[in-house]
Amino acid sequence: GAVVSQHPSWVICKSGTSVKIECRSLDFQATTMFWYRQFPKQSLMLMATSNEGSKATYEQGVEKDKFLINHASLTLSTLTVTSAHPEDSSFYICSTRTSGSYEQYFGPGTRLTVT
Amino acid sequence: DAKTTQPNSMESNEEEPVHLPCNHSTISGTDYIHWYRQLPSQGPEYVIHGLTSNVNNRMASLAIAEDRKSSTLILHRATLRDAAVYYCILRPPSTSGTYKYIFGTGTRLKVLA
Repeated sequence: GAVVSQHPSWVICKSGTSVKIECRSLDFQATTMFWYRQFPKQSLMLMATSNEGSKATYEQGVEKDKFLINHASLTLSTLTVTSAHPEDSSFYICSTRTSGSYEQYFGPGTRLTVT
Repeated sequence: DAKTTQPNSMESNEEEPVHLPCNHSTISGTDYIHWYRQLPSQGPEYVIHGLTSNVNNRMASLAIAEDRKSSTLILHRATLRDAAVYYCILRPPSTSGTYKYIFGTGTRLKVLA
């Protein structure tokens, strides 16, 4: 199957700082990318959908000014958590799809810890 | 968005078959039924999907009820590596223009040696 990578795999940052997470599709062009957040022992919660070259669509309750998404190319999307706080500590997962595919390809996830 | 209901957890003995149920009584006629699984500290991975007919692949089988209001993921011989959270997800058709997944709570499968 398609390969999706995320960088970094884990990150620890101080409260008030910003953190950028990258999601790359390594062997195909991803027309759409999705960002999820997962708290311990909970399910994945969709945060936003991004299409290359256009603004991301955020799910209800997700602050777009806090979680900045940039999908500048068909192989890279970034999620920036601005002014991070301890409650933002979570497992962030991206997924991608390509035109004509019936499945989504998920990245390995990025564990963010805000101290 | 149509919702799915799954048992929170199930246990199985190694080398035995496992039947993971999913209820989706509000499924629309064009929604696909997708199954993914998530191993600890990893992103989900695709398992199988179907629309109306039962499906088989190298990982599992998917049995879909005739009225499509429920489905069952079948692992024919569970191994320790199958211990994961299994998610049943309804996906609208591509013609709807939306491809987002709404994850339910999933079923945490524990495989006993």
